[in-house]
Amino acid sequence: DQQVKQNSPSLSVQEGRISILNCDYTNSMFDYFLWYKKYPAEGPTFLISISSIKDKNEDGRFTVFLNKSAKHLSLHIVPSQPGDSAVYFCAERDDMRFGAGTRLTVKP
Amino acid sequence: GAVVSQHPSRVICKSGTSVKIECRSLDFQATTMFWYRQFPKQSLMLMATSNEGSKATYEQGVEKDKFLINHASLTLSTLTVTSAHPEDSSFYICSARTSGSRDTQYFGPGTRLTVL
Repeated sequence: DQQVKQNSPSLSVQEGRISILNCDYTNSMFDYFLWYKKYPAEGPTFLISISSIKDKNEDGRFTVFLNKSAKHLSLHIVPSQPGDSAVYFCAERDDMRFGAGTRLTVKP
Repeated sequence: GAVVSQHPSRVICKSGTSVKIECRSLDFQATTMFWYRQFPKQSLMLMATSNEGSKATYEQGVEKDKFLINHASLTLSTLTVTSAHPEDSSFYICSARTSGSRDTQYFGPGTRLTVL
């Protein structure tokens, strides 16, 4: 059963604006989340993670927010760049069954 | 950062043959490795989890006799697609995790399998 879900299959934003990618989970025992970026015909690359003891983790242009009560996390990319165009996956570290992914397109 | 390699990167085989894909952690010991499969324009599907020295745990719906996984050492896991058929054509990706409880998962570059 898929316990991590990404309900938006695609997102298109203008260069320089903020991209917000969302992820929901069902297992309240999950405590460490990962975001990955994937280009076609390549393996995913790790972007950023967050532990459940935090509600925010920031790394450069990437910030992940965790709302434990809502079982929701989001990845913010600001400012978005055309090179950010890829498929983004969220996963829980111990589960590692990815959500469906969100294809982000950043338009110049 | 940690590096995971896969070999071959691309393979074409005839229907009915078996194909072995290797996944290696190059600069760390991977106690756990994962195998994924990705269909065109679809998500990564977890196929199985393998721990070094023990049998792999397969996800529901994945045929263990068809997709043989061996994790014989802390740096190598292999996936063998037995008696491959065209519907097995896909992009196979492995990932590896270090033994630390909070270490991140590192992915290989993937292997494109085409079965004619």
